[in-house]
Amino acid sequence: NAGVTQTPKFQVLKTGQSMTLQCAQDMNHEYMSWYRQDPGMGLRLIHYSVGAGITDQGEVPNGYNVSRSTTEDFPLRLLSAAPSQTSVYFCASSYQDRGAYEQYFGPGTRLTVT
Amino acid sequence: GQQLNQSPQSMFIQEGEDVSMNCTSSSIFNTWLWYKQDPGEGPVLLIALYKAGELTSNGRLTAQFGITRKDSFLNISASIPSDVGIYFCAGRHNYGQNFVFGPGTRLSVLP
Repeated sequence: NAGVTQTPKFQVLKTGQSMTLQCAQDMNHEYMSWYRQDPGMGLRLIHYSVGAGITDQGEVPNGYNVSRSTTEDFPLRLLSAAPSQTSVYFCASSYQDRGAYEQYFGPGTRLTVT
Repeated sequence: GQQLNQSPQSMFIQEGEDVSMNCTSSSIFNTWLWYKQDPGEGPVLLIALYKAGELTSNGRLTAQFGITRKDSFLNISASIPSDVGIYFCAGRHNYGQNFVFGPGTRLSVLP
C-alpha cells in the first residue's frame, strides 16, 4: 500500500491564481481531511469528508473548496490564492465509526503564494 | 477554537537521557494520538490511546491517557539521535471524528 499520497510536493503561486492540491489514499478509509501547518502552530483542520459525496468545513475553511467524488481521492482547491495561504498542507485519512480513529498523513505540499 | 497546550515547547537533552512531555486541554477528550514529525515530512503516528488511565508502549515510547481525560503524557526512554523532531499530541471529543492538535514539542538530542 502506498498509504496517503499528495501532489505536488512544492508549489509557488502568484496572488490570485488558482490550483488544486491532490490527495489520494489506498487504504479504503472513509474519513479524509485537509490540514494546514504554520510555524509554531499545530495542524489546523480546513475541510473534512466522512465518505464519498459528503464534505464539511473545519476550523479554517475560508478560501478553500473540496469535493469527494470517490473514496480514494480528496482534492483541495484554492480558487484565488492569497499570501496568507502560504503554508504546508497535509492530507490525512482514517476509518470512520469503527472505533479506530488513527489518522495517517501524507508527506505534505509546501505552498508559497507571492 | 479548542486549544491544546504542549509542554515543554522545546527541549535539549543528552543522548541516553529519558524524555517526558505532556499535553493538556480545558475540555475532556475520548481519544489521544501522539505523532512525530521529521523536517520536511508528514506526521507519523506513534501511539493511540482510547481509555482514561490507559498506558501504552511502542518500543522506547510510552504514552498515558490522563485520568481526568484532559491530559496525556509521552515518555521516551534512552533517547537516541533519531528521536530528534517535533512531537504533536491530538485529542478527539466523544462526538465526531475530528482531532485538535497541539502546537508541538521540539526535541533536540545532543551527542
